[in-house]
Amino acid sequence: EAEVAQSPRYKITEKSQAVAFWCDPISGHATLYWYRQILGQGPELLVQFQDESVVDDSQLPKDRFSAERLKGVDSTLKIQPAELGDSAMYLCASSSGLYTGELFFGEGSRLTVL
Amino acid sequence: SQQGEEDPQALSIQEGENATMNCSYKTSINNLQWYRQNSGRGLVHLILIRSNEREKHSGRLRVTLDTSKKSSSLLITASRAADTASYFCATDASEPQGAQKLVFGQGTRLTINP
Repeated sequence: EAEVAQSPRYKITEKSQAVAFWCDPISGHATLYWYRQILGQGPELLVQFQDESVVDDSQLPKDRFSAERLKGVDSTLKIQPAELGDSAMYLCASSSGLYTGELFFGEGSRLTVL
Repeated sequence: SQQGEEDPQALSIQEGENATMNCSYKTSINNLQWYRQNSGRGLVHLILIRSNEREKHSGRLRVTLDTSKKSSSLLITASRAADTASYFCATDASEPQGAQKLVFGQGTRLTINP
């Protein structure tokens, strides 16, 4: 069964360091999402791609976060420098359609900033 | 920002009982989706209900949508220990012809006691 792949599964870093997360969506899914989920809360959208183009990054803290999907397939989310408040689960999801439909989530990358 | 609010925040029932979770939202929507999340894992799509639908069923799941009250409910019948998870509603309030943008609620944490 096709899955959304994410790595690393867990990441511990010190504040002010750089960290990167990788996501490989389900093959053929043109729409890719990065969500941040703080413990005990619901996921919050950071950025949404359609192929290689950004559709929505209004909630992405652009002073320290960046995201790219250069070839319209896999994607990287980077944080530099990391802050204590960035500790969260970073979830990647993909969908086959831009306008409606279910999202398929990866297992997430758990970030702890010390 | 969180559009959907789940109620209750936590629910604990005995195996075999039915579990009902509610979701309220603020603006008009195109569709509403329910997701399940096991502890420390990614989200799994359960069901999607469109704004012109009032009820949908999937196995032991029953979802209702009342657009006049801006609310939805998820009913899990004959609960099992494996149903223990957090359940999230997600609403799509995008503009017509606009890209889907799902906004998740804070979730209901369901515990099924054996």
